[in-house]
Amino acid sequence: DSGVTQTPKHLITATGQRVTLRCSPRSGDLSVYWYQQSLDQGLQFLIHYYNGEERAKGNILERFSAQQFPDLHSELNLSSLELGDSALYFCASSPYQSSGANVLTFGAGSRLTVL
Amino acid sequence: AQKVTQAQTEISVVEKEDVTLDCVYETRDTTYYLFWYKQPPSGELVFLIRRNSFDEQNEISGRYSWNFQKSTSSFNFTITASQVVDSAVYFCALSDRYGGATNKLIFGTGTLLAVQP
Repeated sequence: DSGVTQTPKHLITATGQRVTLRCSPRSGDLSVYWYQQSLDQGLQFLIHYYNGEERAKGNILERFSAQQFPDLHSELNLSSLELGDSALYFCASSPYQSSGANVLTFGAGSRLTVL
Repeated sequence: AQKVTQAQTEISVVEKEDVTLDCVYETRDTTYYLFWYKQPPSGELVFLIRRNSFDEQNEISGRYSWNFQKSTSSFNFTITASQVVDSAVYFCALSDRYGGATNKLIFGTGTLLAVQP
């Protein structure tokens, strides 16, 4: 158990729907990162939050949004879902805001299937 | 541009064979960090090693060893006497600075290692 908790583990939904993925970081970690893993795109960085503030965006679609709450848990909201959004979504956490030395601790992922 | 290339898509070996996973990177930074992560069939990503750009010493941890060569921009990973439990997808990753300080990881496409009994 990495200490990063992601729910749900599996989610099946239909095109056009909206889902919310939840992440609780390791105790004491202030940074949360979201990554998307798909067969065609590999592991892609989506967004980074530190202590409630957005720090950077990567290849995140406008239909996707995220936030980090005062208790440091984070949610990734995916709306107007398309078949191509089917992927494994990872949350990772680390203690720090910056530093290239960050070791990210990953959760087990949330597997989203859009039918 | 920052980039990580893992040219080996799949490798299949028989148990007890040694295997080397290749990783080549491109970066504009003079200070950077390289990582290896393992993704077993269960799906989670597990951290294996972190190496900074100033430390070119090879590292050994049990059956695992890493060879970092700045001159060829490579950070290769060798498993000695492979075991079935080593079967997984292995990702090489590079830290990427943005916004002046904050980092994210850029991952290679991964190498699927299948160790046959």
